[in-house]
Amino acid sequence: AQSVSQHNHHVILSEAASLELGCNYSYGGTVNLFWYVQYPGQHLQLLLKYFSGDPLVKGIKGFEAEFIKSKFSFNLRKPSVQWSDTAEYFCAVKEGGGSYIPTFGRGTSLIVHP
Amino acid sequence: NAGVMQNPRHLVRRRGQEARLRCSPMKGHSHVYWYRQLPEEGLKFMVYLQKENIIDESGMPKERFSAEFPKEGPSILRIQQVVRGDSAAYFCASSPGRTNEKLFFGSGTQLSVL
Repeated sequence: AQSVSQHNHHVILSEAASLELGCNYSYGGTVNLFWYVQYPGQHLQLLLKYFSGDPLVKGIKGFEAEFIKSKFSFNLRKPSVQWSDTAEYFCAVKEGGGSYIPTFGRGTSLIVHP
Repeated sequence: NAGVMQNPRHLVRRRGQEARLRCSPMKGHSHVYWYRQLPEEGLKFMVYLQKENIIDESGMPKERFSAEFPKEGPSILRIQQVVRGDSAAYFCASSPGRTNEKLFFGSGTQLSVL
């Protein structure tokens, strides 16, 4: 069965610091990859996604993620975080070709201090 | 232009009672997913439904849990004879069909079992 690992469970940064959140998955075939964000008190919403093509994906609010197939990774990055980035971040993976059910990682709680 | 609506937002039950969680998908969406989030764990898939059909219930506990998505009305996740371990946030998501695209999430129902 597919599994998704997010190794950083809690991250605390100061504003303007750079961010990288790790995401690794176990499936060896074609995958669709997602990062979702959940701001305090709100529903999950999509930050960015990768289906095919350029492995460096740009999302909303200055976030980007890089798909490295050889490492089974899809790490999320932002060069300079803001206080408003405080949220829970979830990586999700869907097996390509037939599964329509994404598997989520456990999430990373990010706190950004002003 | 309502999104995915879940109610109630908070539900308190005593051990042994029944919990009924409702999810109205986005307009035009006929597919619903239910996930559960336990403290310090990620989103765990429970069940995937289409109107009047359960497509995949591989994540549902074998006993006490059931789900439906009738032709008319919201999707219902029903938990009979709740126990303290059922306390969690339950999230519903919808999509317009079998798709690789993103899911649209509701704000969740926080179930607390006393």
